[in-house]
Amino acid sequence: RKEVEQDPGPFNVPEGATVAFNCTYSNSASQSFFWYRQDCRKEPKLLMSVYSSGNEDGRFTAQLNRASQYISLLIRDSKLSDSATYLCAVSLRGNEKLTFGTGTRLTIIP
Amino acid sequence: DAGVIQSPRHEVTEMGQEVTLRCKPISGHNSLFWYRQTMMRGLELLIYFNNNVPIDDSGMPEDRFSAKMPNASFSTLKIQPSEPRDSAVYFCASSGTGDSNQPQHFGDGTRLSIL
Repeated sequence: RKEVEQDPGPFNVPEGATVAFNCTYSNSASQSFFWYRQDCRKEPKLLMSVYSSGNEDGRFTAQLNRASQYISLLIRDSKLSDSATYLCAVSLRGNEKLTFGTGTRLTIIP
Repeated sequence: DAGVIQSPRHEVTEMGQEVTLRCKPISGHNSLFWYRQTMMRGLELLIYFNNNVPIDDSGMPEDRFSAKMPNASFSTLKIQPSEPRDSAVYFCASSGTGDSNQPQHFGDGTRLSIL
C-alpha cells in the first residue's frame, strides 16, 4: 500500500459546482497534513494546512479524519482558475520530510 | 520577500556529463529538501537537511547522486555521471522552525534533460 494515495482523476467539473477530493495515508502516527496546488509546468504551492478541527479559507475547506486516516479538500463555487493538480502531503512531524500523493487533476469547465 | 531560488531553470546536457543544481532557501528556514518529479513516479523526496546536516538520504537513487549544504543559505545537488533516466524536474523546498505544522515552500524547479 502506498503511504499516501489520491484518486488521480481527472475530475471535469462545471464552473460553480462543488468538488471534493480525498487523500488517504497509511501511517497512523502522521502529524502534519497539507494541500498543495500545482499548475502545469510550475512548482507546487501551498494551498492550506489541515488542522485537526478542520479549517476553511474562503471557498476551500480542509478536513482531517484520523480514525479513517484521510484528509479531504472541498472547493465550493468552483472557478475556472481552480483548474490545477491538487497534491496532498503528509509528514510524521513538522520540519520533516513530506510524502506527497500523486495528485488529483481538476479541470473546471465553463 | 524572496522565495526559494533555484538555478539553472533549465539544463540540457549529454549523458555522462556532470550536472550541478543549486538552491538558496528562504532566509531563516532551517530545513531544506530536494525533490524530483516525473510523470511516472510523481514527486519524490531525494534528501533533506536540518541545520545544514543531511537527515535522510534514503531517496537518493544511487551513488551517482550527491547533495551538500555547506551553509544555511546554499545547497547543491550533483549528478555524476548523468543518464537519460535522470531527466525530470528537480525541486528544492525549505521550511522554517516553529510549530509542527510548518509547510514547505518550493522553488521554481530545474527542468533537466539528459540526451
